[in-house]
Amino acid sequence: QKEVEQNSGPLSVPEGAIASLNCTYSDRVSQSFFWYRQYSGKSPELIMSIYSNGDKEDGRFTAQLNKASQYVSLLIRDSQPSDSATYLCAVNWGSGGYQKVTFGTGTKLQVIP
Amino acid sequence: DGGITQSPKYLFRKEGQNVTLSCEQNLNHDAMYWYRQDPGQGLRLIYYSQIVNDFQKGDIAEGYSVSREKKESFPLTVTSAQKNPTAFYLCASSMTGVGRNTEAFFGQGTRLTVV
Repeated sequence: QKEVEQNSGPLSVPEGAIASLNCTYSDRVSQSFFWYRQYSGKSPELIMSIYSNGDKEDGRFTAQLNKASQYVSLLIRDSQPSDSATYLCAVNWGSGGYQKVTFGTGTKLQVIP
Repeated sequence: DGGITQSPKYLFRKEGQNVTLSCEQNLNHDAMYWYRQDPGQGLRLIYYSQIVNDFQKGDIAEGYSVSREKKESFPLTVTSAQKNPTAFYLCASSMTGVGRNTEAFFGQGTRLTVV
């Protein structure tokens, strides 16, 4: 079983719509959750981090975490063509000084003008 | 400026050669990672290291080797045993611990091509 799972997409949304990206993970010990955006040919860049249950908003982005369901999501409001990219979910495993960050395979988002 | 520097940006390898990809960080991060990404695919973990002189194999370590002699540096060698090394290689680092400030930061990547 994969540790972090995402739908590979592509997810197509019209410009101005809400894009909803989902991620599930397999280990209840996980403490930290991240969303990265990766444009084609570039390295991933961090866009959101979330550590506790509930919602966290930053501009047009909202991350949602439900530890009981082992589920984390990213909502992008008022989607723009420049949001077209692959979105990677990442989970920080472990505890204390020993840990690793594991990534999902990413969901490709296409925003249609 | 703090960050992660990978070099070279592009690298060409002949059949049977070993090549080494450089990764240096000045973020004072304990953990460092190497990922491989093939076209249209996700990140696959090659090796990771939590502290100096210690590292663990990831999911696809065969044909690769690493060293961690300094906290700032985590070079990756692609050996001749790696039969299909053409890919985009990404180095990342993070703080260790739990909770906040443990996100991974990435270098700009090295694109390796076998010629």
